[in-house]
Amino acid sequence: QVQLVQSGSELKKPGASVKVSCKASGYTLNTYAMNWVRQAPGQGLEWMGWIDTNTGNPTYAQGFTGRFVFSLDTSVSTTYLQISSLKAEDTAVYYCARDRYCSGAGCYIPYYYMDVWGKGTTVSVSS
Amino acid sequence: SSELTQDPAVSVALGQTVRITCQGDSLRNYYASWYQQKPGQAPVLVIYGENNRPSGIPDRFSGSSSGNTGSLTITGAQAEDEADYYCNSRDSSGNHSFGTGTKVTVL
Repeated sequence: QVQLVQSGSELKKPGASVKVSCKASGYTLNTYAMNWVRQAPGQGLEWMGWIDTNTGNPTYAQGFTGRFVFSLDTSVSTTYLQISSLKAEDTAVYYCARDRYCSGAGCYIPYYYMDVWGKGTTVSVSS
Repeated sequence: SSELTQDPAVSVALGQTVRITCQGDSLRNYYASWYQQKPGQAPVLVIYGENNRPSGIPDRFSGSSSGNTGSLTITGAQAEDEADYYCNSRDSSGNHSFGTGTKVTVL
C-alpha cells in the first residue's frame, strides 16, 4: 500500500546538523510533490515548504529559508530534509506529506491537499 | 502566507453534531482540506475539495464552504472523533497555511 516511511528520532546538540529521510513506497515518487510540515511540542502544524519531485526544485515557506534544505534521490524513492546549525527551537516532530491537487479545467474551484503522511521524525536539540 | 483562523476548542455531546470553522482570505479562491490529529499520531486527511472523503473516513464527516469560511461538520460525533482538527489551504502565491487548530472534546 501507499506509505511514507520516515527515519528515526534524532538527538542533536546545538550547532549540529540533521538529515531526515522520507521513503515513498506503493507509488512512484516523482508522480507527486512532497510537503514538509513541522510541529513543535504542544503546538500546531506549520507548513515548511515542498519539493517538486520531478525537478528537485524546492520551495521554502517564510521562516524556513537558509538553514533548511529539501532534496531527493529518486533512485531510492526518498526525499530528505536537512537542517543545519540546529537551535533548541528546532526541537519538533517533522512530517513529510504527499501533495495532491485539482486545478485548471477539471476543477471549478481549485484545491490542494496532503493525502498520505509519514509517521513523523522527532528531532530534539539539547546541549 | 495567508492566515487561517480556527476556534481553539469546541465540545460536543456524544451522538450530536459539531461544526468547526476556518476563516481566511485564501478560502475565497481555494477549498480547504481538513486533517484530524490524535495525540502522538500523524495527521490524517478527512476532507478535501468541495466535500470529498478519502477511503476509510466515515460519512459523518462532511465539508462545506462559503465566502472566506470553510467548515468541517461531524454529524453524530463518536468518542473516537475526539482529536485536534486543522484546516489547510494554499494561497495565490503558492504557499500553504495550516489553521490554528481546533480541539474537539466529545462529552
